[in-house]
Amino acid sequence: GAVVSQHPSRVICKSGTSVKIECRSLDFQATTMFWYRQFPKQSLMLMATSNEGSKATYEQGVEKDKFLINHASLTLSTLTVTSAHPEDSSFYICSAYRPGLGPSFGPGTRLTVL
Amino acid sequence: DAKTTQPPSMDCAEGRAANLPCNHSTISGNEYVYWYRQIHSQGPQYIIHGLKNNETNEMASLIITEDRKSSTLILPHATLRDTAVYYCIVRPSTNRDDKIIFGKGTRLHILP
Repeated sequence: GAVVSQHPSRVICKSGTSVKIECRSLDFQATTMFWYRQFPKQSLMLMATSNEGSKATYEQGVEKDKFLINHASLTLSTLTVTSAHPEDSSFYICSAYRPGLGPSFGPGTRLTVL
Repeated sequence: DAKTTQPPSMDCAEGRAANLPCNHSTISGNEYVYWYRQIHSQGPQYIIHGLKNNETNEMASLIITEDRKSSTLILPHATLRDTAVYYCIVRPSTNRDDKIIFGKGTRLHILP
């Protein structure tokens, strides 16, 4: 079964609003989680590394004030897309390291900004 | 940048073995080879990983060359449900904080 979950699976919002996406490790603790973004027919692009109890580390070119990451517990990381615009429409995927097997990925969240 | 190169696409007849190659000529001694696949509109799914010995599980086999500069993922009896993008990745297995950088992967088409 799934070991990393995401909620919601899809969301549609109006331009200018903020959207929160949750990523949960279901039966293990994850001190580090990763957030990716994927545009149609492209590969996954790493956005940031989410660290439990400390600030996230963002990849070059990713706006930290626009993509707010909070990793408040060992099983939950959230990504908030602030003041979303149509160009933020994408497939957002999180991952967490699963002991003994390596990284596991969530099912993804499809964000559509109108 | 991704440390692996893969062909952009491949076709395979249903029921035949699908052999997906991957080059990782700059792999370090402590780095493992991981394979994931991504079916349309889903998150990547773990397939298999290995260090230097060949590995097999219920999904696939992984053949790593002796110099570890390349590997091949083998799906022994491909079905239509194996149509996906396959990603070959190298990373240290024991470092849970090490991020994964994805290359472009191989888009595998299983033909009926």
